[in-house]
Amino acid sequence: AAGVIQSPRHLIKEKRETATLKCYPIPRHDTVYWYQQGPGQDPQFLISFYEKMQSDKGSIPDRFSAQQFSDYHSELNMSSLELGDSALYFCASSSGGRVTDTQYFGPGTRLTVL
Amino acid sequence: DAKTTQPPSMDCAEGRAANLPCNHSTISGNEYVYWYRQIHSQGPQYIIHGLKNNETNEMASLIITEDRKSSTLILPHATLRDTAVYYCIVRPGGNTGKLIFGQGTTLQVKP
Repeated sequence: AAGVIQSPRHLIKEKRETATLKCYPIPRHDTVYWYQQGPGQDPQFLISFYEKMQSDKGSIPDRFSAQQFSDYHSELNMSSLELGDSALYFCASSSGGRVTDTQYFGPGTRLTVL
Repeated sequence: DAKTTQPPSMDCAEGRAANLPCNHSTISGNEYVYWYRQIHSQGPQYIIHGLKNNETNEMASLIITEDRKSSTLILPHATLRDTAVYYCIVRPGGNTGKLIFGQGTTLQVKP
């Protein structure tokens, strides 16, 4: 079965640079969630989209922005990168955007900021 | 949002059942209990979820107490590949569906 695709899988950037992470949801899924997992920490919710509209927002820095496109893929844009942004970034998708819809996670993008 | 409490770590012998407890004493009537696991920095993997009835699928069973204040995830025959961090998550009400990960239980399956 098709899974969530994230690209790139690994990304190395310098401080103050910009990064773009991409997420391709499972076919026919219309909801995308972004999570950040710092070293030794648990995943933390950043932001979500349902039918191309932002549906919820967590502790996402103002330097980060995201959107969901007409084909339902999503991009997380990160500017003025800081060392503390080094983390695993997971995307998850579901169908329907309801609280009972199961989220399926991608393999993650490992961002390293030097 | 309902808070969950899990033991930080547990051991289980390979081939035996692994019983992972979770307390969620402040759960609301319309909140579901979800279980995910994360194997060494991979994306969290969905296991099972339930509202008030016990549930079973090909991976595990979920036992929810009648008062819904606690639950137990059961892996009937643990294998070495089940070694992971297991998260018990109560999904908040509303229709956003975000998952709030707590500390989780690190399950170590030993030969």
